[in-house]
Amino acid sequence: SQKIEQNSEALNIQEGKTATLTCNYTNYSPAYLQWYRQDPGRGPVFLLLIRENEKEKRKERLKVTFDTTLKQSLFHITASQPADSATYLCAPNTGGFKTIFGAGTRLFVKA
Amino acid sequence: EAGVAQSPRYKIIEKRQSVAFWCNPISGHATLYWYQQILGQGPKLLIQFQNNGVVDDSQLPKDRFSAERLKGVDSTLKIQPAKLEDSAVYLCASSSTRTLYEQYFGPGTRLTVT
Repeated sequence: SQKIEQNSEALNIQEGKTATLTCNYTNYSPAYLQWYRQDPGRGPVFLLLIRENEKEKRKERLKVTFDTTLKQSLFHITASQPADSATYLCAPNTGGFKTIFGAGTRLFVKA
Repeated sequence: EAGVAQSPRYKIIEKRQSVAFWCNPISGHATLYWYQQILGQGPKLLIQFQNNGVVDDSQLPKDRFSAERLKGVDSTLKIQPAKLEDSAVYLCASSSTRTLYEQYFGPGTRLTVT
């Protein structure tokens, strides 16, 4: 069955450093992959979408890579700030209608 | 533009009771989704509507859950009867035809079944 793995342990980093979150998937070939941010008590917020023919995508301090050979996406936040503390969800999609979310990785950025 | 609206925000019921959640998507968004998010997990799609038709309800426990989207705008998700394992946050999301893969989520309804 389709499986998505994200770091289950929280990631703690110091302000100003680069945070790197990992998303691995198995048993399917997504046509694109999305990253969402979720704060406690709120719904997820869309951040970035990367397609299978794109190796890398950037938006301000965010960078996402997509390696279809490794079946992995990396999500980077450069110059991290305490306001970046949240849970980050990846969601690979085969191009059909159903979006499957990973369990998310909790990020804590210390001042 | 106004975001996705959901109500109520919180609900506590006893098992075997029924409950209903309401969602009003962003104006003009044809696609509406209902997700269940259990603590510590990612959102799981329960049902997806395109206008007022069902696109996917493969993970909806149809013996107890039902959903409708009359007139292709707002939607209601019902659970009857509720079980303890239904305790979760129920999220509604919507997306437009132009940016189908970018979903906008509401704040969710936190359901506690005792």
